Amino acid sequence: SYELTQPLSVSVALGQTARITCGGNKIGNKNVHWYQQKPGQAPVLVIYRDNNRPSGIPERFSGSNSGNTATLTISRAQAGDESDYYCQVWDGSTHVIFGGGTKLTVL
Amino acid sequence: EVQLVESGGGLIQPGGSLRLSCAASGFTVSSNFMSWVRQAPGKGLEWVSVIYSGGSTYYADSVKGRFTISRDNSKNTLYLQMDSLRAEDTAVYYCTSLYGDFVFDHWGQGTLVTVSS
Repeated sequence: SYELTQPLSVSVALGQTARITCGGNKIGNKNVHWYQQKPGQAPVLVIYRDNNRPSGIPERFSGSNSGNTATLTISRAQAGDESDYYCQVWDGSTHVIFGGGTKLTVL
Repeated sequence: EVQLVESGGGLIQPGGSLRLSCAASGFTVSSNFMSWVRQAPGKGLEWVSVIYSGGSTYYADSVKGRFTISRDNSKNTLYLQMDSLRAEDTAVYYCTSLYGDFVFDHWGQGTLVTVSS
């Protein structure tokens, strides 16, 4: 079965750039979506199909996907960006896979 | 504005059954793809099931044969019938809408299911 690997935690200084990776076999051949989840709240879609932002998501959020790694990049990190972030793909048939999640800390 | 409101969670003994509901407003459940995603306490997200607008349904291997997704078009409501519940089914269950290649665009606030004796 297909697996997605994320780092458990990422730290970033306030105002700097955070990068959260999502590893998977030939993930560059798949569409990757990213979700932000704050404590006690439902997830929110922040990036879809590798590098597209839904309306209302700041331009500071961007994504890329190539080879075996997809990356969510958060520029000019703010305290409000502290959250858990999950990557997700669809295998094209009947399975949806989420990464294990990454806790982002803004220092 | 799209709103999804789940209900029906609670404490249930192992082997028991529970039905979750998700009342939708701002869009039509029957015209959209709908899914359930769950999250065990302190854990990550796990997809559970999907129902397509045409009525086809699919399930994660972990719940296949025990859970049933359905909808009531007249009530604009999505359901998840959960039978033969196990301790490992304990989680917050989220109702979601999705499109295309499983882009989960709208989420409810979730309902907690606890399976314990």
